[in-house]
Amino acid sequence: AQTVTQSQPEMSVQEAETVTLSCTYDTSESDYYLFWYKQPPSRQMILVIRQEAYKQQNATENRFSVNFQKAAKSFSLKISDSQLGDAAMYFCAYRRYAYTGTASKLTFGTGTRLQVTL
Amino acid sequence: EAQVTQNPRYLITVTGKKLTVTCSQNMNHEYMSWYRQDPGLGLRQIYYSMNVEVTDKGDVPEGYKVSRKEKRNFPLILESPSPNQTSLYFCASGSHARGTDTQYFGPGTRLTVL
Repeated sequence: AQTVTQSQPEMSVQEAETVTLSCTYDTSESDYYLFWYKQPPSRQMILVIRQEAYKQQNATENRFSVNFQKAAKSFSLKISDSQLGDAAMYFCAYRRYAYTGTASKLTFGTGTRLQVTL
Repeated sequence: EAQVTQNPRYLITVTGKKLTVTCSQNMNHEYMSWYRQDPGLGLRQIYYSMNVEVTDKGDVPEGYKVSRKEKRNFPLILESPSPNQTSLYFCASGSHARGTDTQYFGPGTRLTVL
């Protein structure tokens, strides 16, 4: 079974600084997706960034970028120029490619709470 | 606006009183799913549906039922709720087409069972 591990329960960053959230996963599949979701105090789950395993290039979305290391099964999220609005719980998630049965399931880590200070 | 909606957003009920949480999406997605979120456990899948009339169990299906009679709706039914079903529930939907198959989440339903 696939597992996703976020080893940092809490992180803190100063406004305008850069922070990296870690995620490792375990799978025997070669084709899959990885995601970072943000959950602010409103509890809404918001997609931050997505990476397809067959793509070597790391995904980037404005101030958010990932470092995808397929061989190491590592998928970290870097937030540059941190803003107060970035304060939230961040979840790393895995999904096997192919919409067949349980392959469609998102497997989540336990989350990292990010605090942004002035 | 493309969205997944859930109702109610907050619900307090008592043990054994049947309840339904509705989920609706307007993106014509084939795939829909229910997750529950508990502290320290992340989100876990309860049930999912690949398309109309096609549903199957996720990781934690005990105590829940679902139905998919229409493509846009995927209600979650608790026939006899118990306190251990107190949780935050999310509905999600997604398409099957690669490249557009990201799953989008509803706003969540906070359920308390006394």
